[in-house]
Amino acid sequence: AQTVTQSQPEMSVQEAETVTLSCTYDTSESDYYLFWYKQPPSRQMILVIRQEAYKQQNATENRFSVNFQKAAKSFSLKISDSQLGDAAMYFCALTSGSRLTFGEGTQLTVNP
Amino acid sequence: DTGVSQDPRHKITKRGQNVTFRCDPISEHNRLYWYRQTLGQGPEFLTYFQNEAQLEKSRLLSDRFSAERPKGSFSTLEIQRTEQGDSAMYLCASSLSGVNNSPLHFGNGTRLTVT
Repeated sequence: AQTVTQSQPEMSVQEAETVTLSCTYDTSESDYYLFWYKQPPSRQMILVIRQEAYKQQNATENRFSVNFQKAAKSFSLKISDSQLGDAAMYFCALTSGSRLTFGEGTQLTVNP
Repeated sequence: DTGVSQDPRHKITKRGQNVTFRCDPISEHNRLYWYRQTLGQGPEFLTYFQNEAQLEKSRLLSDRFSAERPKGSFSTLEIQRTEQGDSAMYLCASSLSGVNNSPLHFGNGTRLTVT
């Protein structure tokens, strides 16, 4: 069975600062994908960034980047220059066959 | 691209009643997923379709739950004899192909409250 663990239920960051959200996972698959999704309050979940397990290079999307440590099964999300609009619940997710397995989420607060 | 739409946004029902939710995926997406999300938790997989075929169902999907996608376009999720434990947000998502090749696009969800 695949599992995804987010050990930080809540995080906060000052506007314009950098924050890192942690995620660890477990899978027996050799080929898989990892994702970070963002769910703003009362709004739909949207994809932030994704990482192919076979790629050693860490994915980057503008202010969002990941630190993918395959051996350690770690997949953290770094948000640089945090903005008020980044405030949301962030979910780490792992492919599991044809389904995504999600972590419990980290609630990010951005303080002005 | 009008996105994934779900109807209704909110549903309040009494225990024992049946409810049905609808999901309209992005038109060219052939895969459609149903997830359930309880407060403070991540979404849990329920079932998915490729075109009109239901290819996988979670053990979370009890006999009271049934999902259909009759023409490979919209999908419905029905819950019979609702229980208070069914109260949750029901999320629909669609993708162009398998998860690995195409990210899931989620709808706004249907929030079910069973009283």
